[in-house]
Amino acid sequence: KQEVTQIPAALSVPEGENLVLNCSFTDSAIYNLQWFRQDPGKGLTSLLLIQSSQREQTSGRLNASLDKSSGRSTLYIAASQPGDSATYLCAVRYDYKLSFGAGTTVTVRA
Amino acid sequence: DAGVIQSPRHEVTEMGQEVTLRCKPISGHDYLFWYRQTMMRGLELLIYFNNNVPIDDSGMPEDRFSAKMPNASFSTLKIQPSEPRDSAVYFCASSSVRERGGSYNEQFFGPGTRLTVL
Repeated sequence: KQEVTQIPAALSVPEGENLVLNCSFTDSAIYNLQWFRQDPGKGLTSLLLIQSSQREQTSGRLNASLDKSSGRSTLYIAASQPGDSATYLCAVRYDYKLSFGAGTTVTVRA
Repeated sequence: DAGVIQSPRHEVTEMGQEVTLRCKPISGHDYLFWYRQTMMRGLELLIYFNNNVPIDDSGMPEDRFSAKMPNASFSTLKIQPSEPRDSAVYFCASSSVRERGGSYNEQFFGPGTRLTVL
């Protein structure tokens, strides 16, 4: 069974600092890895998807890397803003299922 | 496109009542997923469909849960009878393998239905 772990569970940083969120998974036989953002009481918004053949994916201030052999992905958010405060979830796809981590709750202090 | 649509957004019911949650996937998507999110267990996949056919329902907790997809634009998740431990946020998501070159399969989530069973 695929186990997905996200560390840390919570993170608080001052505005402008770069964010580094970690995700690890136990089975490297994945099709892709997806990063989501969830605001309190809201649904999930897809941020980035990295195919298993890719090493990284970028969108604006967001950059996600994938090291499939070691079972790790990292989401970098440059120059954080208070609006980046949310819970960030990573999910790995095996077959057509997604297995989710518990998330990292980020607070960006103004 | 309006994205994945779920209704109702909030549902409060009493133990023993039947609950029906509804989902409209993104037009053209051929995969539909039902998830449940709780504080204790996080996000769990309950069941998924491909071209309206249930493929894997191994995550459905008990026989009290059932899901149908009568056509490509509508799915329901039914709980009968409901119990307090079913209280959670239920998400529907959809995806298509044909987007972005064929194997992308990015999942897009609806806003969820917050279910409270008293």
